[in-house]
Amino acid sequence: KAGVTQTPRYLIKTRGQQVTLSCSPISGHRSVSWYQQTPGQGLQFLFEYFSETQRNKGNFPGRFSGRQFSNSRSEMNVSTLELGDSALYLCASSLAGDRGNTEAFFGQGTRLTVV
Amino acid sequence: AQKITQTQPGMFVQEKEAVTLDCTYDTSDPSYGLFWYKQPSSGEMIFLIYQGSYDQQNATEGRYSLNFQKARKSANLVISASQLGDSAMYFCAMRPSLNQGGKLIFGQGTELSVKP
Repeated sequence: KAGVTQTPRYLIKTRGQQVTLSCSPISGHRSVSWYQQTPGQGLQFLFEYFSETQRNKGNFPGRFSGRQFSNSRSEMNVSTLELGDSALYLCASSLAGDRGNTEAFFGQGTRLTVV
Repeated sequence: AQKITQTQPGMFVQEKEAVTLDCTYDTSDPSYGLFWYKQPSSGEMIFLIYQGSYDQQNATEGRYSLNFQKARKSANLVISASQLGDSAMYFCAMRPSLNQGGKLIFGQGTELSVKP
């Protein structure tokens, strides 16, 4: 059974550019969540998509957006990049938020560097 | 407030010994989930163990067990018979409400070093 796949693994972008990250969840999982990890702020929740709809949102500016496709694959977009956006971006896949199906599995992450 | 607290920034343990990593949490919802993840230097978050708030018994997965004390709001991870490969960052996380989707809140992590 394939795990969570994130592409690309590494990215270098210039301030002001935009970037799109991709996450393919485990087959059958309909929930995809995104997290930003930095040394200073730790792991912070960005947003969650379930059945193509944003179900939860963290406290990030509107430059951070996402979407989910009918096959549950998700993309995250960051516009007008800032140096502070340099981070490891992780996505997590789970069946749903139901009580009986709550395990969340992560991809290897995309390490974004903004210069 | 929904919060996870890990008070041990770093821990050392001798190979083959057991170690306990502390985690306390806060949520007002009676239905929640608690997780532990391992993050090696490669960056991938590896799922270790899960405990639901209504689970009567402590969760166990191989060498990992979760010491769940609901009244004290603690969910400590116990690793038995430590191995060199256990050296990594360990994160405690909480799904603060099982009725509100898949959002996870993480603690700041504990860096575990296993000595030969």
